[in-house]
Amino acid sequence: NAGVTQTPKFRILKIGQSMTLQCTQDMNHNYMYWYRQDPGMGLKLIYYSVGAGITDKGEVPNGYNVSRSTTEDFPLRLELAAPSQTSVYFCASSSRQETEAFFGQGTRLTVV
Amino acid sequence: GENVEQHPSTLSVQEGDSAVIKCTYSDSASNYFPWYKQELGKRPQLIIDIRSNVGEKKDQRIAVTLNKTAKHFSLHITETQPEDSAVYFCAARFGGSQGNLIFGKGTKLSVKP
Repeated sequence: NAGVTQTPKFRILKIGQSMTLQCTQDMNHNYMYWYRQDPGMGLKLIYYSVGAGITDKGEVPNGYNVSRSTTEDFPLRLELAAPSQTSVYFCASSSRQETEAFFGQGTRLTVV
Repeated sequence: GENVEQHPSTLSVQEGDSAVIKCTYSDSASNYFPWYKQELGKRPQLIIDIRSNVGEKKDQRIAVTLNKTAKHFSLHITETQPEDSAVYFCAARFGGSQGNLIFGKGTKLSVKP
């Protein structure tokens, strides 16, 4: 199993540009999450989904959007990138509420 | 609101000593409490978890305790080794049908040989 796969691994954006961070999992997990981790800091929840067609805001949703059209995919959209969005983004998934969340390898995004 | 507080932010111990990291959570309906280890430049990985119907869980040198009344849980690492050096995160799954998993700010553990 590949687990949770994120693309791209690295990206540099200019201020005002948009992009989509891709996340796919092959474990048939219902729950999926997007986190951001600023340098030396903890993980902040951006958005999460409890199943296809269902998404909800986390702690820091401003400036981001998500969709969940399939069980496998949970893309994160950045509109009008800002330097404050420079961070490492992690996607994760879990089968149920009280089970392990598996993380992707992360996407390092720099906005200049 | 939903919140997880974690202390200390940094912890330095001698090899062979024990390390304890403590977390508190805000929602009494929280039902799942995992601990993750993150090595530099890598993804977080689960090391142990505990559910709300259990007070303590052990796995070799690692143990987690949960006090639901006080809304706090702790990670205990015994006989620490240099390879235990990493950042450790606690997290809590908040209650109801919601799926959000909220993390503490992390503890940087350094084990000196």
